[in-house]
Amino acid sequence: QKEVEQNSGPLSVPEGAIASLNCTYSDRGSQSFFWYRQYSGKSPELIMSIYSNGDKEDGRFTAQLNKASQYVSLLIRDSQPSDSATYLCAVRKDSNYQLIWGAGTKLIIKP
Amino acid sequence: EAGVVQSPRYKIIEKKQPVAFWCNPISGHNTLYWYLQNLGQGPELLIRYENEEAVDDSQLPKDRFSAERLKGVDSTLKIQPAELGDSAVYLCASSPGVTGGQTDTQYFGPGTRLTVL
Repeated sequence: QKEVEQNSGPLSVPEGAIASLNCTYSDRGSQSFFWYRQYSGKSPELIMSIYSNGDKEDGRFTAQLNKASQYVSLLIRDSQPSDSATYLCAVRKDSNYQLIWGAGTKLIIKP
Repeated sequence: EAGVVQSPRYKIIEKKQPVAFWCNPISGHNTLYWYLQNLGQGPELLIRYENEEAVDDSQLPKDRFSAERLKGVDSTLKIQPAELGDSAVYLCASSPGVTGGQTDTQYFGPGTRLTVL
């Protein structure tokens, strides 16, 4: 079992709809969770960070964290073609503070 | 504010040749990371520096990879000799504080795409 798991996709969503990306993790003691966006041929860029259970909203993006179920999700409202990218979930381990990365979910927004 | 700078952006070498990558982190960032990323995968940590000290190099293949961060600012990652399987994107990232901080966030450079023939 991988420490951080994501569905590789591709996830295809119509323009204007809500895109939902999910991530599960195995280290129950993890405290910090990050979503990065990576366009093809580019480096990862931070979209959201979340540290407490519940929802955190930033513009069209909402991160959701459920530590009891060990999952974190990212919702993108009013999806735009420019949102088409790979979304990487990263989890900071409690034991050594190392950031563990998922393999990413490829999101395609269809006009 | 300038971001993380890496050079070169692309490198093509023949196997068994040496190669070096350079990284300049965001000004004031104490922690520097070197990652390797293969296509369709997430970044894999090679080494983490806090200032000039390598605090986590457990995943660095020390028989052929070496790194240094003199004066706790710029860093160089070297491969000697390169193998076909080393073809990947090498990413440098930096973060403001030491990695014990819960909110410490990593910022990435553009990466170096290495092709070993």
